Amino acid sequence: SQQGEEDPQALSIQEGENATMNCSYKTSINNLQWYRQNSGRGLVHLILIRSNEREKHSGRLRVTLDTSKKSSSLLITASRAADTASYFCATGGSYNKLIFGAGTRLAVHP
Amino acid sequence: GAGVSQSPSNKVTEKGKDVELRCDPISGHTALYWYRQSLGQGLEFLIYFQGNSAPDKSGLPSDRFSAERTGGSVSTLTIQRTQQEDSAVYLCASSLEGQGAGYTFGSGTRLTVV
Repeated sequence: SQQGEEDPQALSIQEGENATMNCSYKTSINNLQWYRQNSGRGLVHLILIRSNEREKHSGRLRVTLDTSKKSSSLLITASRAADTASYFCATGGSYNKLIFGAGTRLAVHP
Repeated sequence: GAGVSQSPSNKVTEKGKDVELRCDPISGHTALYWYRQSLGQGLEFLIYFQGNSAPDKSGLPSDRFSAERTGGSVSTLTIQRTQQEDSAVYLCASSLEGQGAGYTFGSGTRLTVV
C-alpha cells in the first residue's frame, strides 16, 4: 500500500496563480520529499523536509510539514506554463524504502 | 557519470521472452531503487539495495522478477517470461543513503510487451 496520498489528483490553473498540493501519510517519518515528473519519465527531486522542520523554501517552492496531522503541502507561487508536470510526495528513505504517492497532475495554462 | 543511466531507453519484446534492464547509478551512491510506473499511475516500489545489506525485495510482483547489484554499483532487473501486464516504464534511482539527500532518478526504460 502507498504511504503518501496526494490531493487533488489533478489541478488546473492560470499562469501567475499559486498552486497548492497536499500529501497525507500514515506512519511516522524521518523526512518527506517532493518530486516532479515531466512526460512520464525520470523524476526530479525538488525539496526534502525533515521531521523536525515545519517549513522550507526553495525559490518559488514552499513546503510545510505537520507531523501531528501527518500531512505536508507543496505551494508553487506565481506559476508558469513550464511548471506543468506531475508532482509526487514520498516518505521513507534513511535506510527505509522510499514510497511514493499517486501524484498530482498540475496544468498551468498561459 | 554525472547522473543515473538506464539502458535501453525503450524495449519492445514478445510475450514470453526474457528481458534485462540495466541501471548505472551515480558513483559512490550506496542506495539503489527500482520502481515501475504504468501509464498515468504513481510509482510502484519493486526492490531496494542498500550497501552490503540484503536487498528489500518486498515489491517484486512475482517470481518472474529478479534483480541483482554487482559490486555495489551496476544493477540489472530481469523479467522472465514477460507478460503484457509487465508493460510499463521501469525507473531506477540512487542516493547517498542516510545523508538525508534526495534520490536521483534515471530516465527510465519503457518496456512494451507485444
